[in-house]
Amino acid sequence: SAVISQKPSRDICQRGTSLTIQCQVDSQVTMMFWYRQQPGQSLTLIATANQGSEATYESGFVIDKFPISRPNLTFSTLTVSNMSPEDSSIYLCSARQGESSYGYTFGSGTRLTVV
Amino acid sequence: SQQGEEDPQALSIQEGENATMNCSYKTSINNLQWYRQNSGRGLVHLILIRSNEREKHSGRLRVTLDTSKKSSSLLITASRAADTASYFCAMHTGGFKTIFGAGTRLFVKA
Repeated sequence: SAVISQKPSRDICQRGTSLTIQCQVDSQVTMMFWYRQQPGQSLTLIATANQGSEATYESGFVIDKFPISRPNLTFSTLTVSNMSPEDSSIYLCSARQGESSYGYTFGSGTRLTVV
Repeated sequence: SQQGEEDPQALSIQEGENATMNCSYKTSINNLQWYRQNSGRGLVHLILIRSNEREKHSGRLRVTLDTSKKSSSLLITASRAADTASYFCAMHTGGFKTIFGAGTRLFVKA
């Protein structure tokens, strides 16, 4: 299965600034996903990123706040914009290969703290 | 809620004991997956069970699925301190989405 390198692993940011999280996959994948995990909580899907098209956002998440890029089949970025303390979470990217519904591969996560 | 339900929320056992975690969901599924997460890191895929399967094994892991009750269980036998982690069930309902359960925090005491 694919291996995903995610960075940064953690960051402490000032409110009002933006942070871009990167995920690099070691093989081509059709679908990539971005999740948020608030402290002690489960994962909530932010958006699905397809190569060559705009990301599809879930209810409660908007492109202006969480712009996503997917320039090719091995890379994606998520930007958390105009951050506030409520954005403090773990952000995870995930990938699925081909049309298979086998288990997904996850990056190691980015622990974001906004002060 | 978008999430599946998991119980217990937290489980503390002694090394060598078995740990059982349960997951319930509301919609029809194509498959159900279990993941482990260590200390807020990335999730590691453990096992996938399809909707037409009832039981699956992988090493010390045993997963059951009862689609009539919309529930699944994960059994970890002969637990070890290294099994200490959060465990999530995840339901694939078709399309490209996977819905995660709320998670069970397992603590295995040495």
